[in-house]
Amino acid sequence: AQRVTQPEKLLSVFKGAPVELKCNYSYSGSPELFWYVQYSRQRLQLLLRHISRESIKGFTADLNKGETSFHLKKPFAQEEDSAMYYCAPAGGNTPLVFGKGTRLSVIA
Amino acid sequence: NAGVTQTPKFRILKIGQSMTLQCAQDMNHNYMYWYRQDPGMGLKLIYYSVGAGITDKGEVPNGYNVSRSTTEDFPLRLELAAPSQTSVYFCASSYTREAGVGKLFFGSGTQLSVL
Repeated sequence: AQRVTQPEKLLSVFKGAPVELKCNYSYSGSPELFWYVQYSRQRLQLLLRHISRESIKGFTADLNKGETSFHLKKPFAQEEDSAMYYCAPAGGNTPLVFGKGTRLSVIA
Repeated sequence: NAGVTQTPKFRILKIGQSMTLQCAQDMNHNYMYWYRQDPGMGLKLIYYSVGAGITDKGEVPNGYNVSRSTTEDFPLRLELAAPSQTSVYFCASSYTREAGVGKLFFGSGTQLSVL
C-alpha cells in the first residue's frame, strides 16, 4: 500500500536556524516525490519536485531511495517560511498521495 | 486565467441535506481531483477524473458522487450530508499525469460544516 509518513505535526524553529521536515514513504515502484506548501490564506501549491533537483525559496530535498525518505531542508529559516508542508509521492497510474502534513512555525 | 475556481467558499448544511460543490478550471487540464482536508489528517482523495466522461474512486469515496461531462467542470455531489463530512474540500487539476506528474493546481477550497 502507498503510504507517506511525516512524523512531526508541528515543528517550531527560531529564525535563522536550520530546518528539516521529515518525510518517509512506502510506495511500490519508483515514485516521483513532491513537496507542497500551504501558506496562511493561500492555496496549496507545489514547492519542489525531486526530479528537478532544484532549490526553491532556499529549500532543497534529497531523495534517498535506500531509506525511502525525501526530507525537506533549509539552512536558515525565515519567518515567511511558516506554513503547512505536505510530502507527496506519485507514480504509476495513481494520483498523488499526501502525507498528514507538518506545520512549520518560525519564531522571530 | 482564473485557474481552478471552487464555489461556494463556505457552506453550512443540516444532516440529510444535499448539495453540490462546484469546480471549474480554464487551463484545459484533462486530470481533475477532489480532496478533503481534515485537521491533522492531511489530504485524502475522494474522486478523480482523467478526462471527460471518466471518473474513478479515490481513498474515501463513500457518501459522494461526481460527474465529468466537460473538460472544464468537475462537480462533487453530497447526497445525504453527515457530520463526518464536515471538512475542507479542495479541487485540483493537472495537465496530464505523465507530462506534469504531480504538479497539481488547487482551488481555494470549500469549507463545509454539517450540523
